[in-house]
Amino acid sequence: EIVMTQSPATLSVSPGERATLSCRAGQSVSSNLAWYQQKPGQAPRLLIYGASTRATGIPARFSGSGSGTEFTLTISSLQSEDFAVYYCQQYNNLYSFGQGTKLEIK
Amino acid sequence: EVQLVDSGGGLVQPGGSLRLSCAASGFTFSTYSMNWVRQGPGKGLEWVSYISSRSSTIHYADSVKGRFTISRDNAKNSLYLQMNSLRAEDTAVYYCARCHNSGWTYLFDSWGQGTLVTVSS
Repeated sequence: EIVMTQSPATLSVSPGERATLSCRAGQSVSSNLAWYQQKPGQAPRLLIYGASTRATGIPARFSGSGSGTEFTLTISSLQSEDFAVYYCQQYNNLYSFGQGTKLEIK
Repeated sequence: EVQLVDSGGGLVQPGGSLRLSCAASGFTFSTYSMNWVRQGPGKGLEWVSYISSRSSTIHYADSVKGRFTISRDNAKNSLYLQMNSLRAEDTAVYYCARCHNSGWTYLFDSWGQGTLVTVSS
């Protein structure tokens, strides 16, 4: 199993500021990396796939980058609705999820 | 709008059975592969099972193999998960999840709202 490690575990950011979340794969997953957002009591929502492609309906303030083993999700100007838990997931070799980064209001 | 509505969860004793359902709308269900994914209390996401669009290919996680059965009825736009011999460790919110049309089995682009399964005596 490919281990996915997300950092930090918790990120405190003020609304309107930029948030940068990191994800590291234990071995190369090429660009087969997705990001999901999950709010309390809700299902995950696909934000990014192919490391950098926004899913349907996802605002442009969400962007993804990286390849191989290092990936980043950037939210350019945080809105109130963006505070949630974010998971990265590789789907290059079976699948594995990271443990999540909780994005909280500072 | 794509909509997936999960149902059928509840409290069941260890060794018991439960059947989950997922009603799909807003897209051509018969052309998409589907999955069940679960999330234990305070835990991460775990893929459970996959079924191709015409049910020709089915996969299970090792943790449920031999106990769970995935199926679908394309005429009814519905996905099912029959869960037998349930264990405490099966306690989780179960989500149906649609495969992204890129063809990747484990890329999930739409999710149901989830249904809670609690296995306890």
